[in-house]
Amino acid sequence: NAGVTQTPKFRILKIGQSMTLQCTQDMNHNYMYWYRQDPGMGLKLIYYSVGAGITDKGEVPNGYNVSRSTTEDFPLRLELAAPSQTSVYFCASSAHGEASTDTQYFGPGTRLTVL
Amino acid sequence: GQNIDQPTEMTATEGAIVQINCTYQTSGFNGLFWYQQHAGEAPTFLSYNVLDGLEEKGRFSSFLSRSKGYSYLLLKELQMKDSASYLCAVSDSNYQLIWGAGTKLIIKP
Repeated sequence: NAGVTQTPKFRILKIGQSMTLQCTQDMNHNYMYWYRQDPGMGLKLIYYSVGAGITDKGEVPNGYNVSRSTTEDFPLRLELAAPSQTSVYFCASSAHGEASTDTQYFGPGTRLTVL
Repeated sequence: GQNIDQPTEMTATEGAIVQINCTYQTSGFNGLFWYQQHAGEAPTFLSYNVLDGLEEKGRFSSFLSRSKGYSYLLLKELQMKDSASYLCAVSDSNYQLIWGAGTKLIIKP
């Protein structure tokens, strides 16, 4: 049981390039989330999904896109990378999402630098 | 707006006790979580409170007062491995987690 896995671990992009951050979970969780974490700041929700085929915006969705074609996978797409997107990106999953006791499980993160 | 406040950094001595405070103002409340995050790693779940009072789990305890919008995490018998950031997060009316910036805890021998 690997939990939540993310690839790549590190990436350097040039301004204007695009890339996809991969996230996979093997816990059969319905809910999945993408966060970014900037130094000295709390986690900010980018997008989330309550199940396959359903996605919704979080607090900071601009510049990103997501898809959820399967329960297991929730990729995050950056279309035109900007320096402001330099951050650590965490993917997380939870079983229910609407249960107040629901715990989120996090992947190891992707450290992205845009130059 | 929604806001969660916690101290930026705290220092404590190995073997001692430390209390990390968290105050919150959110639209709705469906529970408060504490997560631990070691440098360069992902956050991991520590505790959850939804009712007022103290929840104890080994060396770690978490307290909640909903009327005061206040929680604390109490760490006893500190060990060097407890050096990490501690994140407070509140589940709001939409069951989305609102995160504090985290408290970096430094343990000295």
